Amino acid sequence: GAVVSQHPSRVICKSGTSVKIECRSLDFQATTMFWYRQFPKQSLMLMATSNEGSKATYEQGVEKDKFLINHASLTLSTLTVTSAHPEDSSFYICSASRLATGGRDTQYFGPGTRLTVL
Amino acid sequence: GNSVTQMEGPVTLSEEAFLTINCTYTATGYPSLFWYVQYPGEGLQLLLKATKADDKGSNKGFEATYRKETTSFHLEKGSVQVSDSAVYFCALSEGDDMRFGAGTRLTVKP
Repeated sequence: GAVVSQHPSRVICKSGTSVKIECRSLDFQATTMFWYRQFPKQSLMLMATSNEGSKATYEQGVEKDKFLINHASLTLSTLTVTSAHPEDSSFYICSASRLATGGRDTQYFGPGTRLTVL
Repeated sequence: GNSVTQMEGPVTLSEEAFLTINCTYTATGYPSLFWYVQYPGEGLQLLLKATKADDKGSNKGFEATYRKETTSFHLEKGSVQVSDSAVYFCALSEGDDMRFGAGTRLTVKP
């Protein structure tokens, strides 16, 4: 089946630095990629929807200048957490949407990235 | 390792029919369980969740009960509507390990 990877799986950084997280669809072209974050024992929260070659659409309350999303190709989307602070510590998950037979999208999820900001 | 197995779709029902989407899980510890819904072109939305055995999550007429003895978290709704047409994902979360089912596409016809 289709595979979505995320890199890195874990990252620890100092407050004020920027961190880039990559999401790749390994064997298919993703029409759309989604970025989520999850707080401990909570549900996923959609942060933004990313379409290749266009600006990401951010959910209400998500700072677009803080969480920069670049979807440069049909197999790669990146999330950059700029000037990270401890409250940005979270588990970030991406998913990639693959156009399947009959025009139906199928979702594939990455394994997630644990960000810890000291 | 942890895993989620979800009933394969697609599922097609008439309006007001009863819905069940089966979900079973394998976990080493005590995960939280979730049902998410995804409408065309949109991201996942949390539908309901349960964090411990025997908890029942409910929302918008949907229900699911965390059954540890059968390792299940089946989604049910007594009377579906056309607006319920979407893809439904069962998921578990245990620490940094989050697993999703493959998704079940539901189509409700008038």
